[in-house]
Amino acid sequence: GNSVTQMEGPVTLSEEAFLTINCTYTATGYPSLFWYVQYPGEGLQLLLKATKADDKGSNKGFEATYRKETTSFHLEKGSVQVSDSAVYFCALREGSASKIIFGSGTRLSIRP
Amino acid sequence: GAVVSQHPSRVICKSGTSVKIECRSLDFQATTMFWYRQFPKQSLMLMATSNEGSKATYEQGVEKDKFLINHASLTLSTLTVTSAHPEDSSFYICSALGAPSYNEQFFGPGTRLTVL
Repeated sequence: GNSVTQMEGPVTLSEEAFLTINCTYTATGYPSLFWYVQYPGEGLQLLLKATKADDKGSNKGFEATYRKETTSFHLEKGSVQVSDSAVYFCALREGSASKIIFGSGTRLSIRP
Repeated sequence: GAVVSQHPSRVICKSGTSVKIECRSLDFQATTMFWYRQFPKQSLMLMATSNEGSKATYEQGVEKDKFLINHASLTLSTLTVTSAHPEDSSFYICSALGAPSYNEQFFGPGTRLTVL
């Protein structure tokens, strides 16, 4: 079945460091890929998405490229801020109404 | 963007009682709503999918008699945890899908349930 695997956390970085959170997926078809962010005590917010191979999703300085050949959707940011501290979930969805399958989440903490 | 609310945000109840959680789409009509459960420091697990006016579809391993889901209108779905026990304590999150954008699920802020 479909699944998402992302790097385990927690990840602790200093402010302005470069961030990469790895995500790979297994899917039978051509899924849409997502990164969601969950700030402490809050629900999930869509951070970015990509719907087909080679698409790049971007938002708030974060980027991720849909790599079909490596079945990956790694999240990157060039210079993180303390306010980026949150839990990040990689996810996939096949079809517009199909359920979303989430990775296990990666907790990110940024030191001032 | 579309807004989904949940009520209550936190609830504490005694073991054996039932708790109802509401999920509302505030500015769009949600033809489909999803209920997730999130354990501490873990991912979201889909519990069930509900379409307005029809019975919910439960994921494998989720007891439908324990977690009653009603989606009676295009803006409201409810999850009732019946005869709650401490192991039901969790963070419950709903999401909604509907007009005008059917391509994105919008998530509620979650409800933290604590069963004593």
